[in-house]
Amino acid sequence: NAGVTQTPKFQVLKTGQSMTLQCAQDMNHEYMSWYRQDPGMGLRLIHYSVGAGITDQGEVPNGYNVSRSTTEDFPLRLLSAAPSQTSVYFCAAGTVNEQFFGPGTRLTVL
Amino acid sequence: SQQGEEDPQALSIQEGENATMNCSYKTSINNLQWYRQNSGRGLVHLILIRSNEREKHSGRLRVTLDTSKKSSSLLITASRAADTASYFCATDGNQFYFGTGTSLTVIP
Repeated sequence: NAGVTQTPKFQVLKTGQSMTLQCAQDMNHEYMSWYRQDPGMGLRLIHYSVGAGITDQGEVPNGYNVSRSTTEDFPLRLLSAAPSQTSVYFCAAGTVNEQFFGPGTRLTVL
Repeated sequence: SQQGEEDPQALSIQEGENATMNCSYKTSINNLQWYRQNSGRGLVHLILIRSNEREKHSGRLRVTLDTSKKSSSLLITASRAADTASYFCATDGNQFYFGTGTSLTVIP
């Protein structure tokens, strides 16, 4: 089992560009989430989903969209990238007792 | 705002010493979890303690929970250089909240 996979690993965008960060899991977990990690800020929850067709906002949702059409996939869309969105993005899947994290996507917005 | 807050922010010890880090949280919980993050990697689940438990052990890890003070501690005994990492606490619910983490450096 691959667990949680994220693509791409690295990405550089220009201000105003849009892109989608991919996240997939093969563990059949209902709960999936996206976090961003910035120096000194810990992990902040962007959006989460408790099952296919259900998404909700976390702590820092502005500028990001998500959808959950299948149990396996939970893509994160940046609509119009801004330098403030430069960060490392982690996707996770799991239960209320344990989350499994992907390896992360390092995004730089110029 | 973040639910969990760890302290100290950074901790440096010699190999073989014990490392203690603390976590405080704001609202009532069903369980609290500790995670580890090696540099540049995703977080890895270490241990979970439920709200009705006061102490839990797993190998060299010992976790305590004081729900009256809304705090938890993680003790790593007989530390090794490989324990060098950042450690985070997280509280449960539909929205997991992580603290800012404690950066542990174990000097060989």
